[in-house]
Amino acid sequence: QQQVKQSPQSLIVQKGGISIINCAYENTAFDYFPWYQQFPGKGPALLIAIRPDVSEKKEGRFTISFNKSAKQFSLHIMDSQPGDSATYFCAASRETSGSRLTFGEGTQLTVNP
Amino acid sequence: DGGITQSPKYLFRKEGQNVTLSCEQNLNHDAMYWYRQDPGQGLRLIYYSQIVNDFQKGDIAEGYSVSREKKESFPLTVTSAQKNPTAFYLCASSRTRGTEAFFGQGTRLTVV
Repeated sequence: QQQVKQSPQSLIVQKGGISIINCAYENTAFDYFPWYQQFPGKGPALLIAIRPDVSEKKEGRFTISFNKSAKQFSLHIMDSQPGDSATYFCAASRETSGSRLTFGEGTQLTVNP
Repeated sequence: DGGITQSPKYLFRKEGQNVTLSCEQNLNHDAMYWYRQDPGQGLRLIYYSQIVNDFQKGDIAEGYSVSREKKESFPLTVTSAQKNPTAFYLCASSRTRGTEAFFGQGTRLTVV
């Protein structure tokens, strides 16, 4: 059972544009929502994370928006750069289960120069 | 430098052979995890361990086995019972509760 659904599967944006990736979850017990960035042949690395007590979190060009009632959260990348080209995964977990993360399917982002 | 080391980076095995993937961490984390990554399917949890000498099955444990004899080490054995073992395998670790998971660089296993 896929508990975290991610869209789109792939995304192409121009340099300087805004990249938006969306995720929806089913399990209302989830209370930790990280986004990971993965470059080809490498392991994922944490980009930014949010807990459901806030609706938005911003770190540099990266922003998570969180809608608890809709059970949705999204990643916005402002002023997208070619170096942002990577695969992005949303994930969710229950704090009581440690980092037993459930991942979305991933979005392959390409930023054209 | 602290981190997670997976070895080898690439591994080739013949069908029917068992193979063991290594994962070592020096972050003093209690919890360790094994994920499998296939194109278009995200990361799926194979096994996880929150303490030495204890581990639990994840979502796709069939055909895999693990051990956790030391805090620093969490090897994964892909057995001949795994029907489709060719994949990218990722090991991760974290402190026990709700914190960042750190991933290794992965092992790409190809079974021919």
